[in-house]
Amino acid sequence: ETGVTQTPRHLVMGMTNKKSLKCEQHLGHNAMYWYKQSAKKPLELMFVYSLEERVENNSVPSRFSPECPNSSHLFLHLHTLQPEDSALYLCASSQVGTYGYTFGSGTRLTVV
Amino acid sequence: EDKVVQSPLSLVVHEGDTVTLNCSYEVTNFRSLLWYKQEKKAPTFLFMLTSSGIEKKSGRLSSILDKKELFSILNITATQTGDSAIYLCAVEARSNYKLTFGKGTLLTVNP
Repeated sequence: ETGVTQTPRHLVMGMTNKKSLKCEQHLGHNAMYWYKQSAKKPLELMFVYSLEERVENNSVPSRFSPECPNSSHLFLHLHTLQPEDSALYLCASSQVGTYGYTFGSGTRLTVV
Repeated sequence: EDKVVQSPLSLVVHEGDTVTLNCSYEVTNFRSLLWYKQEKKAPTFLFMLTSSGIEKKSGRLSSILDKKELFSILNITATQTGDSAIYLCAVEARSNYKLTFGKGTLLTVNP
């Protein structure tokens, strides 16, 4: 375990479902991130939360809705997704001002 | 817009070979360059480079940064099957601490 825990590990959902991805970090970091990893594409930054405030939304469709209730927890709420949203969703955390991220193991999402 | 280009995109070698992975970048206000190894899910940290010309080394892996030419290389000597993974390069900007990733290099080491 890296200190960043993501659940569930795998998720299959229909296009009309609503589900949530959860990320928890035990590292005392003050910034958390959602990344999307699709086949043959670079890791794409979706959202950044620093000190529990959203500081970046990288033009992500509104069917993805993040929530950061405190510095240790980050959620990604999903609704009416499309098959092209199927990907590995990675959460990461960092301490702003220090180097590098710590990644979670990701949630493999399949939209059917 | 920050950009990271890795090459090759995939590479197949035999155990014992030496490989060199390349990463070139464009970033406004460079802070650091990082290498990660991704086997199944979570990318795991390998190296962070901030200064030009200083080699970082960990066992059979080493990396060096050229800030003038805007690239980095990751070397793996005496490769083993356990080195098979995607190797990700990322750059961090000083202004916002965000990482911009390349597509990665898929390395396959055959016995």
